[in-house]
Order: sequence, then C-alpha cells, then structure tokens
Amino acid sequence: AQSVTQPDARVTVSEGASLQLRCKYSYFGTPYLFWYVQYPRQGLQLLLKYYPGDPVVQGVNGFEAEFSKSNSSFHLRKASVHWSDWAVYFCAVSPDGGKLTFGDGTVLTVKP
Amino acid sequence: NAGVIQTPRHKVTGKGQEATLWCEPISGHSAVFWYRQTIVQGLEFLTYFRNQAPIDDSGMPKERFSAQMPNQSHSTLKIQSTQPQDSAVYLCASSDWGEYEQYFGPGTRLTVL
Repeated sequence: AQSVTQPDARVTVSEGASLQLRCKYSYFGTPYLFWYVQYPRQGLQLLLKYYPGDPVVQGVNGFEAEFSKSNSSFHLRKASVHWSDWAVYFCAVSPDGGKLTFGDGTVLTVKP
Repeated sequence: NAGVIQTPRHKVTGKGQEATLWCEPISGHSAVFWYRQTIVQGLEFLTYFRNQAPIDDSGMPKERFSAQMPNQSHSTLKIQSTQPQDSAVYLCASSDWGEYEQYFGPGTRLTVL
C-alpha cells in the first residue's frame, strides 16, 4: 500500500523568502503525485501534479515541485513567498487514478 | 464551471439521527470520490464511483455509512445513527476520464452533538 510522509508539521518563512516543503512517498511502482493547498475553512485546491515524465513540474502561483525516484521524494518549492501563501499544504499519491493517499499536511506561516 | 458543489455546508445532528450529504460533481466528470477530514486522523479516503458504479469502498466504516450515485450529476453519503466520532468535514471530489487529478468541493462540516 502507498503512503506519504510530510516530515515538517509547521514551516515559517519570511515574506519574499524562498520555500521548500518536503514530501516523501512510499509506493512500489510509478506513482502519480500531487500537491494540494487548503485555505481556512475551504476545500483542497490543486497546486500541481506529477505524471511520469519531466521530474520538475510547474504549478499555479509560482509553485514547482521536483520528483526524485531515487529519494522517493516530491518536494514543493517557491522562489518568493507571498503572505497569501499562508495555508496548509498536502502532498498526495495515487497509484492508478483511484483514491488519493495524503500526508498529514504542513502548515505554512508567513512572517511579514 | 461551478466546480464541485456540496450541500449542506454545515450540518448539526443529534446523536442517533441520520445525516445525508450531497455532492454534485463537475459536469462531465466520470468519477466521484468521498473523503473525511479530522484533526486527529487527517484526510481519509472513504469511497469512490466511476461512471456511477462503485469501484472502491475500502475506507468506508462497515456499519452505518453508505454511499450512492444514482445518476451522473450527484452522489450522496448517508450516515445512519450518527455518533459524536462521526463529526468531521466530509469532502467530495471529482475527476475527468483519463485524468488522475481530483477537484474538491468546499466540504460539509458535520457536527454530531
């Protein structure tokens, strides 16, 4: 069975600084990977998706992620964080287009 | 495109009462998924349908929970004899044929007193 680990429950960055949120997955095979963002009292919004191919994928609002098969990782990055990025970020894996298995999420706090 | 629609947004029930949650997927999407979100358990998969047929209900509690998709425009999640531990945000998502990404609705916050 697949699983996802987000090792950092909370990350705090200053506005304008760069960001990396970590995600490690466990799956025997080629995974489909996703990052979602959740703003307070809202549903999940898709930031970006990885389908087998180019390991670096671009998403919305300047986010990108890099897939590494050797490290079983799919880390999320952003060059310059904005206060509006303050939210909870979830990494997820799907082996076959069926159910998503999520990590526990990382709460991103942005300092002015 | 109105996105995935979930109704009601909030529901309060007394212990032992029934709760029915509704989901309208994005028009043309062939798959509907149900998840539950709590502080303690995080995001948990419950069940999903593709082309109205149940495909995977491995996350559904064995008792009191049921889901249906009577037509391509809506799905329901029914919880009988609700218990306080059923309190959660129930999220519905849909996806298009051949696509793996899922689009989520705003959720229904169920509170069982």
